[in-house]
Amino acid sequence: AQKVTQAQTEISVVEKEDVTLDCVYETRDTTYYLFWYKQPPSGELVFLIRRNSFDEQNEISGRYSWNFQKSTSSFNFTITASQVVDSAVYFCALSEAGRSQGNLIFGKGTKLSVKP
Amino acid sequence: DAEITQSPRHKITETGRQVTLACHQTWNHNNMFWYRQDLGHGLRLIHYSYGVQDTNKGEVSDGYSVSRSNTEDLPLTLESAASSQTSVYFCASSRDSSSYEQYFGPGTRLTVT
Repeated sequence: AQKVTQAQTEISVVEKEDVTLDCVYETRDTTYYLFWYKQPPSGELVFLIRRNSFDEQNEISGRYSWNFQKSTSSFNFTITASQVVDSAVYFCALSEAGRSQGNLIFGKGTKLSVKP
Repeated sequence: DAEITQSPRHKITETGRQVTLACHQTWNHNNMFWYRQDLGHGLRLIHYSYGVQDTNKGEVSDGYSVSRSNTEDLPLTLESAASSQTSVYFCASSRDSSSYEQYFGPGTRLTVT
């Protein structure tokens, strides 16, 4: 069965600190996709990144970076030099190829508070 | 610009009433989805569609129905609203089976009294 676990319910940091949001997934498929979404206090869901199961290369986008490790079934998200605008709920999600392709299984989210 | 919209943004209804939430996208995406978001549960899939006339049940489909008569719209109907259906509802769409990013609408906050 597919499952996404975000063990950190809430994290609070002070501005400029680095913070890592953990995501652990379970799937039996060999082809799958991992995602991160951001939900700021305004409520919309913003797509951040998609990663394919056959590409373990880490990705960096500005202050954001993602570490994908199949050996530990993890897809962690790091924000470097956090800012107040990073305060949001962050969701990790999993999608499997095959019959239910495109359906996302979400973790329960990690609420990040960045204080000035 | 292409977008995905939901209406109404806020709705208060009474137990037992039928309610329809609208979702409209202008990306010409084949795939459309409905989720509900509840505290402690994250987002859970209600129904989804991979194209016109195609609809499928998700994880929490009881009490909900959808129909897909065109590419742009996937309305969600609560046949007989229950207090347990008080939630925030998100519609999403994605391009096709080989492109898995879903783009979400702004959400509808539904309160059933």
